[in-house]
Amino acid sequence: KQEVTQIPAALSVPEGENLVLNCSFTDSAIYNLQWFRQDPGKGLTSLLLIQSSQREQTSGRLNASLDKSSGRSTLYIAASQPGDSATYLCAVRGDSWGKLQFGAGTQVVVTP
Amino acid sequence: DAGVIQSPRHEVTEMGQEVTLRCKPISGHDYLFWYRQTMMRGLELLIYFNNNVPIDDSGMPEDRFSAKMPNASFSTLKIQPSEPRDSAVYFCASSSGGTHSNQPQHFGDGTRLSIL
Repeated sequence: KQEVTQIPAALSVPEGENLVLNCSFTDSAIYNLQWFRQDPGKGLTSLLLIQSSQREQTSGRLNASLDKSSGRSTLYIAASQPGDSATYLCAVRGDSWGKLQFGAGTQVVVTP
Repeated sequence: DAGVIQSPRHEVTEMGQEVTLRCKPISGHDYLFWYRQTMMRGLELLIYFNNNVPIDDSGMPEDRFSAKMPNASFSTLKIQPSEPRDSAVYFCASSSGGTHSNQPQHFGDGTRLSIL
């Protein structure tokens, strides 16, 4: 059974510092890995999706890497801003139907 | 596009009452997912549909939970009778594409359910 782990559970950094969020999974047979952002009282917003054949994906200040063989993904957020404060979740898709297995998330606080 | 629309946003009801949560997926999406989020268990997939047909309901916790998708633009999740441990945020998500698709899932803002 696939297990997805995110460490740390919470992170606080000063504005301007780069953020590094980690996600690990136990079964490397995945279709893709997705990073989401969740603001308090809101749903999840998809940030980046990395296909199993890709090593990384970039969007603006965000960069996500994927190492399937070691079961790891890392989300980098450059030059963090207070508006980046949120909970970040990773999810892996392990079957052809689109079913996602989520990690518990990392709660990020960026202080001005 | 309006995104995934869920209603109600908040629901407070007494134990034993029937609860119905509603979802309108993004037009053209052929997958619909129902999730539950709690502090203890995080995000759990309850059930998902493809072209209005339930594919996997193994995440539905008990027979008190049921879900339907009568057409491509509407789905319901029903709890009858409700219990305090059902209190959670329930999310609906939709996506497009068939097998091997790499399209992301799009989430609604959720229904915050409190059972007293």
